[in-house]
Amino acid sequence: EPEVTQTPSHQVTQMGQEVILRCVPISNHLYFYWYRQILGQKVEFLVSFYNNEISEKSEIFDDQFSVERPDGSNFTLKIRSTKLEDSAMYFCASSEEAGGNQPQHFGDGTRLSIL
Amino acid sequence: DQQVKQNSPSLSVQEGRISILNCDYTNSMFDYFLWYKKYPAEGPTFLISISSIKDKNEDGRFTVFLNKSAKHLSLHIVPSQPGDSAVYFCAASSSPGKLIFGQGTTLQVKP
Repeated sequence: EPEVTQTPSHQVTQMGQEVILRCVPISNHLYFYWYRQILGQKVEFLVSFYNNEISEKSEIFDDQFSVERPDGSNFTLKIRSTKLEDSAMYFCASSEEAGGNQPQHFGDGTRLSIL
Repeated sequence: DQQVKQNSPSLSVQEGRISILNCDYTNSMFDYFLWYKKYPAEGPTFLISISSIKDKNEDGRFTVFLNKSAKHLSLHIVPSQPGDSAVYFCAASSSPGKLIFGQGTTLQVKP
């Protein structure tokens, strides 16, 4: 069964450094998402992306965050200057279409630890 | 953001019995509700969904019930199996693509 893959599984970064989290969505999916889960808290929506544009973003997704689909397969989340509070599990997801009847398929996540 | 709430952090049931996981929501504009299962060190896995215009959807051992007047949905697993032990998330969709998750309920199915 096709799956969403994320790399690395664990990223440790010094505060203030830039970090790029990588995702390979399912190949025929057109809609891509990032979510995060801070330890002990809910899974939170960050951003959705379609047709090389951001469709929607949350309040969390400020100017320090950006997303990109640099080629036909990868989807990346960049955090420009990391803060301690960016430490979380980051999940990438993809779906064929954007409606609620089209389930999003999640990767296994990247654990980001900011020191 | 308390739009989707799962008030029970954990649930323990005996193998073969029914597991009932509950979820409440506040936003009447949600059009779809979804249940995801999550094992440690893995991402959420989609289980089952329901449209807001329906009151029941069934897929094998999993049934989701929606009570719109009460703004409540539940996931029934019957019979429960030890492999069902995981964290279960309720999620809701209002704008296309954005899912709002509950806090999750940890289900333990005892052999």
